[in-house]
This record gives sequence, structure tokens and C-alpha cells, in this order.
Amino acid sequence: GENVEQHPSTLSVQEGDSAVIKCTYSDSASNYFPWYKQELGKGPQLIIDIRSNVGEKKDQRIAVTLNKTAKHFSLHITETQPEDSAVYFCAASPHASGGSYIPTFGRGTSLIVHP
Amino acid sequence: EAQVTQNPRYLITVTGKKLTVTCSQNMNHEYMSWYRQDPGLGLRQIYYSMNVEVTDKGDVPEGYKVSRKEKRNFPLILESPSPNQTSLYFCASSSFGSSGNTIYFGEGSWLTVV
Repeated sequence: GENVEQHPSTLSVQEGDSAVIKCTYSDSASNYFPWYKQELGKGPQLIIDIRSNVGEKKDQRIAVTLNKTAKHFSLHITETQPEDSAVYFCAASPHASGGSYIPTFGRGTSLIVHP
Repeated sequence: EAQVTQNPRYLITVTGKKLTVTCSQNMNHEYMSWYRQDPGLGLRQIYYSMNVEVTDKGDVPEGYKVSRKEKRNFPLILESPSPNQTSLYFCASSSFGSSGNTIYFGEGSWLTVV
């Protein structure tokens, strides 16, 4: 089955700095890579995703990059703000439409942004 | 509003006393799942369901039961809770649609077994 490794487990940055979280996966059949943000006391929520036919995707201050050859993908947050403080989870799964659809999550990264 | 609703949000119970955590989604999703979240271990899948009357074990199914009699509901049953089941539990749902595999999570249920 799929195995997703996520690093670091904790990341502490100053407000305004950039933050990078990295994930690796093992199954070459995986082709959908979402990132979830979990704020304190809440369930995880999707913030950005990328599919295997795309190398990079941006949405304002967040971006995700994918290297399918090396089987790794990363989340980049620029100009961090205190409200970015949360736990971030990466995941890998085959795309929808039946079969082995179940996503595999990384263990999470606790991001702390100091004002 | 699209949501996954789970109850109770907080529960303290005693060892061996059966309990059920309910989960309901209003998005007509085929896929539903239960996860537990423990420090340093991330989200671990307990059980999942691809559709009504179809359930499968996840990574940590021991001590749990589920049922999927209706599409919108997916209750988690702890027949005889033990202290090692003290955890934060999340119900989740998703569609198999072409828009992607976005998973929608509930707000979580904090369970303490004493």
C-alpha cells in the first residue's frame, strides 16, 4: 500500500518568513495530492491540491510543487501570518472513479508562526 | 450548507460501557470514513464505507464497529471501550466525482475512556 512520509513534524517561523513542508510517497499509482489545514479545535480542511499532470500550483500565498519522478511534493507558504498557525496534513491517492481510492495521510506538521 | 455532523463532540465514559458516535453528511457522498487522531501519529483510518451496506477495515479497526444502513449516516460503535481508545475522532465523507477527491471532515469528537 501507499506510505506517505511528512517532514518536519514541527515548524516554527517568524511572521513574514516562508514555510516549507515536504512529503514523500511510495506508490507510483498515486496521482492526486491534497493538503489539509487543521486549525485548533476543528476538523482538517482542504486548502490546495495538485494532480500528477501538473508540476506546480499557486493560490495566493500558498503553493504546492510535485516531483513525480522523485515521488515528493511540498507545500510552500510565503509571508506567513499568525493565522497560518495550524497542523498541516499532506495526502496521496489515486484519482476518483472507483478502485483503490482511499487517500493516505502524512502524520502532520504543526506550524507555529510567531508575531 | 455542506457539512459533516458528528455527535457527541465531547464525551467521558467508563471502561466497558458501550457508546455510539453518530455521523451524518448532507452532500449525498458515497464514501464515508472514521479516523482517530493521536499526538505524533496523525490521522489513522478506522473504518470506511464506499456506499450503503459496504464497509471495510482501515488501519486500526480493532475495538470498533460501523454500519452504513443509509447513505447519509455512518455511526461508529465502541462495544466495550478501553482507555487506549481515548482519542480525537473524525468522521469524513467524499464523492467519487470528477471534481476530485476532496474529503470533508466533521468537527471532531473528543472521547475519554476512564
